[in-house]
Amino acid sequence: GNSVTQMEGPVTLSEEAFLTINCTYTATGYPSLFWYVQYPGEGLQLLLKATKADDKGSNKGFEATYRKETTSFHLEKGSVQVSDSAVYFCAPTGADKLIFGTGTRLQVFP
Amino acid sequence: DARVTQTPRHKVTEMGQEVTMRCQPILGHNTVFWYRQTMMQGLELLAYFRNRAPLDDSGMPKDRFSAEMPDATLATLKIQPSEPRDSAVYFCASGRATDTQYFGPGTRLTVL
Repeated sequence: GNSVTQMEGPVTLSEEAFLTINCTYTATGYPSLFWYVQYPGEGLQLLLKATKADDKGSNKGFEATYRKETTSFHLEKGSVQVSDSAVYFCAPTGADKLIFGTGTRLQVFP
Repeated sequence: DARVTQTPRHKVTEMGQEVTMRCQPILGHNTVFWYRQTMMQGLELLAYFRNRAPLDDSGMPKDRFSAEMPDATLATLKIQPSEPRDSAVYFCASGRATDTQYFGPGTRLTVL
């Protein structure tokens, strides 16, 4: 079945630093790809998504590009803020559901 | 702004008691998911429904957990009897088929 691997956390950055959180997946067919974010004490919420190869999802300054050739969907942001501190989950679709990664905690310090 | 609602938000109970968690999915969504989140295990899919029919409950401990959708506006997750290892945050999410899932705020369960 489909699976996903994301980089271990925590990722610790200073404000305005560049962020990359790696995500790779294995899949049969062509899954849709999602990034979700979970702020402390809240449920997961959609950050961005891409539904086909070479699509770029973007939201709140975050971007990720669907790379079929490398089966990756890395999350990037050019300049992080303290308010971006959260846990980020990568998730491809698979068999009627989302396959969530283990989550990567991001901590941004002023 | 449609949202998934979950009740209760917090529940503290003693071992052996029955616990019922409720979820109201977003109107028009035909798929409902139940997840459990702990520090040790992360996010686990327990069960999900489409058009109120259970599709997969293989993630659920069968002897004590049960999930139902009595109607399109209500999904329930029951634990009977509860155990301390069931302490976790339980999330409900709804969506249309394999499209975006919308998560509720969760029920934080503590079993003493």
